Amino acid sequence: DGGITQSPKYLFRKEGQNVTLSCEQNLNHDAMYWYRQDPGQGLRLIYYSQIVNDFQKGDIAEGYSVSREKKESFPLTVTSAQKNPTAFYLCASSNQGRGNTEAFFGQGTRLTVV
Amino acid sequence: AQSVTQPDIHITVSEGASLELRCNYSYGATPYLFWYVQSPGQGLQLLLKYFSGDTLVQGIKGFEAEFKRSQSSFNLRKPSVHWSDAAEYFCAVENSGYALNFGKGTSLLVTP
Repeated sequence: DGGITQSPKYLFRKEGQNVTLSCEQNLNHDAMYWYRQDPGQGLRLIYYSQIVNDFQKGDIAEGYSVSREKKESFPLTVTSAQKNPTAFYLCASSNQGRGNTEAFFGQGTRLTVV
Repeated sequence: AQSVTQPDIHITVSEGASLELRCNYSYGATPYLFWYVQSPGQGLQLLLKYFSGDTLVQGIKGFEAEFKRSQSSFNLRKPSVHWSDAAEYFCAVENSGYALNFGKGTSLLVTP
């Protein structure tokens, strides 16, 4: 079945450590996205990529980094510079271009800093 | 940038009653609008979308939404709510063809 796989579902990190969240899609979508979700805040865009080897900062990119070496994969690294990393992280993919951004979402990764 | 506002943070309805969730958008041209639903601890699932044409859009699970340009609204409706509809609902607008901007969500509680 086509879809988006995020792993792990739950992740615990000690303060000061970097951690990488995995996102893989087999929908053959060009565009991929990372959103952060906090209670009462909706979804906020961290990074997006419209093509392999290219990505752009979203609204809250500070303290995060990404790579897009393969079309299918868009991992997100939460660095120690992110001051409040505890949140629910959602990866999504879509076709690109005006009118093609219907996004398909993974099941999310809940990151907790301990 | 294009944005959406969901005025209601929480809504409670009785099972079997009708439902309307509000969404207002800010965009100069014709917006591309979406409604998503999220169950606790899960990802988002697309309910319906509006790109152009008929302003009344039918979606999955018995939901529909009406685009009203004069009111800058895209409200989600369902004639009869089921207990399984309890979830978080998000309205979103396409942001110049590269990503979706989401509202802050409306949490729906369904009472017996």
